[in-house]
Amino acid sequence: GQQLNQSPQSMFIQEGEDVSMNCTSSSIFNTWLWYKQEPGEGPVLLIALYKAGELTSNGRLTAQFGITRKDSFLNISASIPSDVGIYFCAGLGGSARQLTFGSGTQLTVLP
Amino acid sequence: GAVVSQHPSWVICKSGTSVKIECRSLDFQATTMFWYRQFPKQSLMLMATSNEGSKATYEQGVEKDKFLINHASLTLSTLTVTSAHPEDSSFYICSAESGTSASYEQYFGPGTRLTVT
Repeated sequence: GQQLNQSPQSMFIQEGEDVSMNCTSSSIFNTWLWYKQEPGEGPVLLIALYKAGELTSNGRLTAQFGITRKDSFLNISASIPSDVGIYFCAGLGGSARQLTFGSGTQLTVLP
Repeated sequence: GAVVSQHPSWVICKSGTSVKIECRSLDFQATTMFWYRQFPKQSLMLMATSNEGSKATYEQGVEKDKFLINHASLTLSTLTVTSAHPEDSSFYICSAESGTSASYEQYFGPGTRLTVT
C-alpha cells in the first residue's frame, strides 16, 4: 500500500543531543500517530495528533501536525540510550480506518 | 493506554503445517483489529482488517485462503497461517482500534515471530 515519506532513514547521535524526524505525504491526513518499535516488539504509541497545527508533548517528545495536513514532525530532546529504536509515523485519512505507515527512522544513541 | 496481547510470541513449525496466532484486547473492546506483517528492517505491511462478526477484508496480494482470519468476539481475533512455507516466515503483528471519531488510536500487540522450517 501507500507509504509516507519519512526521513531521515537512520540517525546516529550523541547522548544528550536533540533529534528531529519528519514525515511528508502527497495526501491529506486527519490524524497523525507516532510510534516507537524496539527489536522483537510491536510498535508503541508515543503521540497522537488530531488537528492541523496541533503541537503535543509527551515528556521529552514533541510532535506537530503540519498546517497543510500533509506532514508531521517528531522531536526528541536530550536523548538518552533508551531512546534507541525505530520510530514510525502513521497517518489516517478520509473514511478509511487503516493506517498508512512511514518507512521508519532508526535511531542510535551513542554514549 | 490500551493493552493488546498476542500469543504465541514466537513459533517454529514445519513446512506444510498450520499455525494459529491469537490477538486479544485486554482492557477494551475492539470492533476492528488489523493484522500486519513485517520483514527485517522494513515497515509494517497491512495484511487484512478483521471485523467482529463479519468477514475480514484483505489487502491486495494477500491470499485469504492462506491467511484465515476469525474475529469471533470483541476482544479476540485469530490469524491462521495454513500450509505454511518458509517464505511465510516473518514477524506478524496485530493491532486494535480504540477511541472515538475525535480521538482515533490504534494499539499494537507485541508481535509473533513465525519461523517455518
